[in-house]
This record gives sequence, structure tokens and C-alpha cells, in this order.
Amino acid sequence: GAGVSQSPRYKVAKRGQDVALRCDPISGHVSLFWYQQALGQGPEFLTYFQNEAQLDKSGLPSDRFFAERPEGSVSTLKIQRTQQEDSAVYLCASSLGGTGIKNIQYFGAGTRLSVL
Amino acid sequence: AQSVSQHNHHVILSEAASLELGCNYSYGGTVNLFWYVQYPGQHLQLLLKYFSGDPLVKGIKGFEAEFIKSKFSFNLRKPSVQWSDTAEYFCAVNEFTGNTPLVFGKGTRLSVIA
Repeated sequence: GAGVSQSPRYKVAKRGQDVALRCDPISGHVSLFWYQQALGQGPEFLTYFQNEAQLDKSGLPSDRFFAERPEGSVSTLKIQRTQQEDSAVYLCASSLGGTGIKNIQYFGAGTRLSVL
Repeated sequence: AQSVSQHNHHVILSEAASLELGCNYSYGGTVNLFWYVQYPGQHLQLLLKYFSGDPLVKGIKGFEAEFIKSKFSFNLRKPSVQWSDTAEYFCAVNEFTGNTPLVFGKGTRLSVIA
């Protein structure tokens, strides 16, 4: 596709429910990043992949958060046993990977998660 | 650890006024610098970037930013704002080697009134 695509755009979950958020990066982009954006804040890093390898997951807030990118393209962020504090916009970004303009990250529209 | 500080939380300007949004970063090494913009209801879009070379960079829609290494700053400017510039503006950095996560500031909300 022309840009980074995320689905669903909106997700309402009951506390304790598991959710899965999907990201389709720009075709050919090697690097894929997940960020969490709380209301009134800037995006904060969660995890990132280079192809199918998860190179850094230091930003995942707890072991309830899990991300995968099994074939080096589409990625899924899974949150188990959702809590109210998980309510946020989850952003996905992709880049060609490298220096200079290959370093530019392109963002999807995000998934707004509301946990009731 | 890297951090980014944006000085203004909410800025209100009249059309044709000049704009300057502050951004300071903290990092011990060489960085790439970015300004992203988020228009109401839209996704984050790149406004401009600095990798190396001329510290004065020009972006889309008449925006520019100046990298001052000694001040660890990358302030965003526009000589004359328009109503359509109403948006949230985020400053971000990552390591010069690239392919690393962005560290964002908290953002500045710009409201331009007629």
C-alpha cells in the first residue's frame, strides 16, 4: 500500500480481555516500530523489529505486552488481560532502515484502545 | 538516555503572526533531529529533518528549523502562520547511526485564529 496501515482504528475492550493490533508497513520497509501515545503526550517507544527479528523490546511496559513479525512484514501487538492504564493510541511506524533518508519513520493512523 | 523537551504546551497565534516552537534534547552523541506534525484527525507526518550539513533546514509548508549544536536545540519557525497550521507539533531525535527508536517531546499544540 501507499502508507502504513493499522487495524482496527478503534478498539473497545473490557478489562481483562486480550486484544491484538495489526500493522501493515510500507512495502519493502525493513524496520518496524511500535509506539504508545497517551492523551496529551508524545509517542513513547515500545518495541522494534528489523525484518522478523525483534531487536529491542525494552519499552514494553509489562509481560502482558507481546509483539511479533513472523515473516518480516505484517506485525501484531498483543496485549493480554488489558488494564485501564493500557488505554492509549498505539502507533506503528516503518522505515527502510539505515542512515539518512532511510532512517525516516512513516507513521500509521494508529489504533485507539479504550479499556473499560 | 535521550530526552526531548518542548517548552510550550499550547500556543495561540493570530493568522500572519510569526511562530517559533522550542525544542531541546539531551544526548551524549550525534543525533538525527525531526519535527513531525499531526493535523486534527490525521496521522503523524514528517515536517522536516536534520541529519548533517547546513544547520538551517527547510521543510514543507514554509516551515524551517535551525540546529544549534552548542545549545542542543532544534527550534521550529515559520514567518507567517495560517489557520491551516493548526495542529500538534512534535520534536523527535534518534541516534545518528539511524534505524533506532525515536524519542519524542510531549508536543506543542498550535491554535491559529483568524
